[in-house]
Amino acid sequence: DQQVKQNSPSLSVQEGRISILNCDYTNSMFDYFLWYKKYPAEGPTFLISISSIKDKNEDGRFTVFLNKSAKHLSLHIVPSQPGDSAVYFCAAEMYSGGGADGLTFGKGTHLIIQP
Amino acid sequence: KAGVTQTPRYLIKTRGQQVTLSCSPISGHRSVSWYQQTPGQGLQFLFEYFSETQRNKGNFPGRFSGRQFSNSRSEMNVSTLELGDSALYLCASSPRELTLNPDTQYFGPGTRLTVL
Repeated sequence: DQQVKQNSPSLSVQEGRISILNCDYTNSMFDYFLWYKKYPAEGPTFLISISSIKDKNEDGRFTVFLNKSAKHLSLHIVPSQPGDSAVYFCAAEMYSGGGADGLTFGKGTHLIIQP
Repeated sequence: KAGVTQTPRYLIKTRGQQVTLSCSPISGHRSVSWYQQTPGQGLQFLFEYFSETQRNKGNFPGRFSGRQFSNSRSEMNVSTLELGDSALYLCASSPRELTLNPDTQYFGPGTRLTVL
């Protein structure tokens, strides 16, 4: 049973426009959420995170929104740049005080930025 | 600061053999986690080590084991290799102190294991 789902395997966006990547989760015990970016043959690179006590976190061009009631989070990239083309993974964690239980990842969304 | 390093980067083994992968965390990070990435299952958590102790374990058979040394470096071992163990093995480190505050995990480049 997939606890973190990224329903769009790929997304194509024009350079300069907004990219919106979506992620849904089923486990209400998750209390920390992260987005990672991954290029082929490399490890995931951390982008941005959000704790379950917040509903928004911004870092430069990246903003993550969390809707706990809907168990949904999204990553907004504005403006999109060619270097943003990569696979984006949503991850969630139960931080059960004194040690987390490991990250649970979605299957990823391949973002393609078109010139 | 240097990032997470993993050795070797590529490895080819045959069924039935065993393999040991190595991970050096970011300086000052005491937690090391291991993940397996395959096309079918995606990224899956194997286990986490903190201060030389396994603190959490994912849903993998006992053939997968690990350890952590006093300098926080970690090794992962897979015994009796199967074809399905072919994957990218990723190591991640974080400060991960025993507090209620979560820490971000930073990943290494991975070791690509091919089992023939």
